[in-house]
Amino acid sequence: DAGVTQSPTHLIKTRGQQVTLRCSPKSGHDTVSWYQQALGQGPQFIFQYYEEEERQRGNFPDRFSGHQFPNYSSELNVNALLLGDSALYLCASSLEPGGGETQYFGPGTRLLVL
Amino acid sequence: GEDVEQSLFLSVREGDSSVINCTYTDSSSTYLYWYKQEPGAGLQLLTYIFSNMDMKQDQRLTVLLNKKDKHLSLRIADTQTGDSAIYFCAGSNSGNTPLVFGKGTRLSVIA
Repeated sequence: DAGVTQSPTHLIKTRGQQVTLRCSPKSGHDTVSWYQQALGQGPQFIFQYYEEEERQRGNFPDRFSGHQFPNYSSELNVNALLLGDSALYLCASSLEPGGGETQYFGPGTRLLVL
Repeated sequence: GEDVEQSLFLSVREGDSSVINCTYTDSSSTYLYWYKQEPGAGLQLLTYIFSNMDMKQDQRLTVLLNKKDKHLSLRIADTQTGDSAIYFCAGSNSGNTPLVFGKGTRLSVIA
């Protein structure tokens, strides 16, 4: 049973550039959440996708956007990168209420903005 | 909103028990989780407890929940060097609502 997978594992960008990160959920899961983990901090919720729509959003600017595809995989896009966007980006998948109570995380994508 | 607090560091000797503590502010947190993060890795779900439970045991792990004090603890019995990692406490109102994490407790196990 494949767990949550993310690509790429590492990425280096410069300020002002745009980046796209990818996530494939655990088999059977239909909900994908994205989190940002800055160095030395706990993960912070960015947004959650279900049925190809953003259903919840954390306190992140519009530069952060996402997409979910019919196969439940998801992308996180960040425009106009800032130095402060350097972090580990984690994807978590889960099953809609009634099917499960837990979110499972992928290994993350480490983004460095220079 | 929810706030989750953890002590930042814990050091124990191999073979001893470790107890990692967490306090949370939102009494409507229905699910409380413990995740483990090893260096350079993602988060591994260790265990979780529902708010209607006081205790949950899973092999070497024991979770205690004091709802009155909004206090959660994770006890690791017979701590091994492989248990060295950062442990995060997190809460949510349901399995699909956003997880709110503490800053993590770095556990160091001394051989």
